[in-house]
Parts: sequence; C-alpha cells; structure tokens
Amino acid sequence: QKEVEQNSGPLSVPEGAIASLNCTYSDRGSQSFFWYRQYSGKSPELIMFIYSNGDKEDGRFTAQLNKASQYVSLLIRDSQPSDSATYLCAVNMLSGGSYIPTFGRGTSLIVHP
Amino acid sequence: NAGVTQTPKFRILKIGQSMTLQCTQDMNHNYMYWYRQDPGMGLKLIYYSVGAGITDKGEVPNGYNVSRSTTEDFPLRLELAAPSQTSVYFCASSYRGRQGETDTQYFGPGTRLTVL
Repeated sequence: QKEVEQNSGPLSVPEGAIASLNCTYSDRGSQSFFWYRQYSGKSPELIMFIYSNGDKEDGRFTAQLNKASQYVSLLIRDSQPSDSATYLCAVNMLSGGSYIPTFGRGTSLIVHP
Repeated sequence: NAGVTQTPKFRILKIGQSMTLQCTQDMNHNYMYWYRQDPGMGLKLIYYSVGAGITDKGEVPNGYNVSRSTTEDFPLRLELAAPSQTSVYFCASSYRGRQGETDTQYFGPGTRLTVL
C-alpha cells in the first residue's frame, strides 16, 4: 500500500512564529513532491513543489526534502492568521504505469493573533 | 482562462438515483483527475486520465465511471447512488511534467453531493 502520512493536527502557532508541517511517504521511487493549501470550503491550491534533496525557498515558505529518509516538510516563517488552513502533502507515486499524486490527509494549521 | 470548471456546485440525490458530474478545463492539460474528499480527510483518487480516450482507476473507483472523449472534458458518472458516496468531489487537471510525471494540479471549485 502506497501511503503519504501527515499529522492531522491541529497545529496551533502564534502570529509571527514558524510553523513546521511534516510529511512522510512510502514509495522510494517518488521524485516529485507538492504542498497544497486548502481553506475551509475551498479547493486546494499549490503552495510549492520540490524535486531535489535540500531546501527550496519561496517568500515565507520553505520546502525541505530528504529522499533517503522519505521525508518532506514545509516551513512557514512569520506565520499570519491568513495562513490558517489545511496543508496537503502530495507525492507522485507509480500507478498503472504513470506517476500520479497520492495525498496525505492534511494538517490543519491555526495561527492565532 | 476559466481554468477548471465543475457543475453542479451542490446536489442532493436519493438512494439508487444516478447522475453525472461535469468537469471542463481550458488549459489544454493532458492529465485530468477526479477526487473525493470526506470531512477531515485528504483527497482520494477515484479515476484519472492521461489523455483523450485513456482512463484508469484510482484508489476508490467502485460505484463510479468516467469517459474522456475530448481533451477538455472529463465527466464522472455515479450509478445507483449510495449514502457512502456523500462527499465533496473535486476535478483537477495538470500538464504531463518532467519525466512523464504529473505536474502542478489545478482544481475545480468542487461539487458537494449528498445521498439520502
């Protein structure tokens, strides 16, 4: 069974703090990793993608990938109340000859003033 | 560009009824997907398509059927609706990315379906 695991939370952080969201995956062959943000009642939207080991930064967001440990994380610096949402980790996994995203159940983030 | 559009936004079905959820994208994406999302859960893949005329089962295909006759459209058919199919359904599309893998997905606004 190919799986993507996330702590469902909620993760509660004060405004201005760093929020750290974690994701592990089971398929060692996976090469592409995505973080999506989903506000309540809305559809997911892409935050970041990462393909290579190490860190990738985009504004307040940093994605970290460690393929040896099968671990990907998302750091949100200077967290804002508007960051309060569910964050979905998606990992491309082999399915029927194609690499198709498998999603974790998501981590709920609450940023309180 | 409208992106990914879905109709209807809401629907209530009686047990045993059938319906089709419509999905259209105008980005000329190769890949299209149908997901369901239950409360507090992530997205479960129902079916996907890598191009017109090609479809494949995802993790939870039972009770559903799809077709893809054009690049733009990917309807999802529910036959004999059951209460277990009460969920929010999302359609998504993406390019065929690096090494043939799925690239960034773009999601439609969702259809909230209740089966009573």
